[in-house]
Amino acid sequence: DVKVTQSSRYLVKRTGEKVFLECVQDMDHENMFWYRQDPGLGLRLIYFSYDVKMKEKGDIPEGYSVSREKKERFSLILESASTNQTSMYLCASSGTGHTGELFFGEGSRLTVL
Amino acid sequence: GQNIDQPTEMTATEGAIVQINCTYQTSGFNGLFWYQQHAGEAPTFLSYNVLDGLEEKGRFSSFLSRSKGYSYLLLKELQMKDSASYLCAVLDSNYQLIWGAGTKLIIKP
Repeated sequence: DVKVTQSSRYLVKRTGEKVFLECVQDMDHENMFWYRQDPGLGLRLIYFSYDVKMKEKGDIPEGYSVSREKKERFSLILESASTNQTSMYLCASSGTGHTGELFFGEGSRLTVL
Repeated sequence: GQNIDQPTEMTATEGAIVQINCTYQTSGFNGLFWYQQHAGEAPTFLSYNVLDGLEEKGRFSSFLSRSKGYSYLLLKELQMKDSASYLCAVLDSNYQLIWGAGTKLIIKP
């Protein structure tokens, strides 16, 4: 069964802390994405990657960075967490071609105090 | 700007039929997707439409009219497990997904 695994389901951090969210997929997918999901809003794309060591900014990259050192792993980094980054973070992957069919992880709910 | 509209919430009865509408205005169009998301879980892919018409998959069907910028998801023989949010998304000219805010579907016995 295909799987996208996010390292933490729930995190509580303090303002100013550095936060790492890890995502691993076992489908040998080229494309990986980080979204945040907030009530009343559609999924918003933070960063995406089409290949190892490659990254592209999405719609809301400010305050975030990413790392893709291996094909299966895509990490989201909050250099200095702020309260407005409290959200559900969803990682997704897709293969080449049909780029709209995404496989999502279970999500990481981050609370920044 | 790019925009996808869908109702915030709908209520339906177990065993009935419900239609969830989605209208879109995007820069280009390379397909429309429906996803299902149960509370506290990941979204899962339901359907894909790129040509006009109806795509049927079991109890679920999805319709697309590109000229009207309109799609709907039709759920038949509703079951309690269909209680979830349904997300509409369009793949734009840059092959980026634009997402609606989702429709929360409540099924009552």
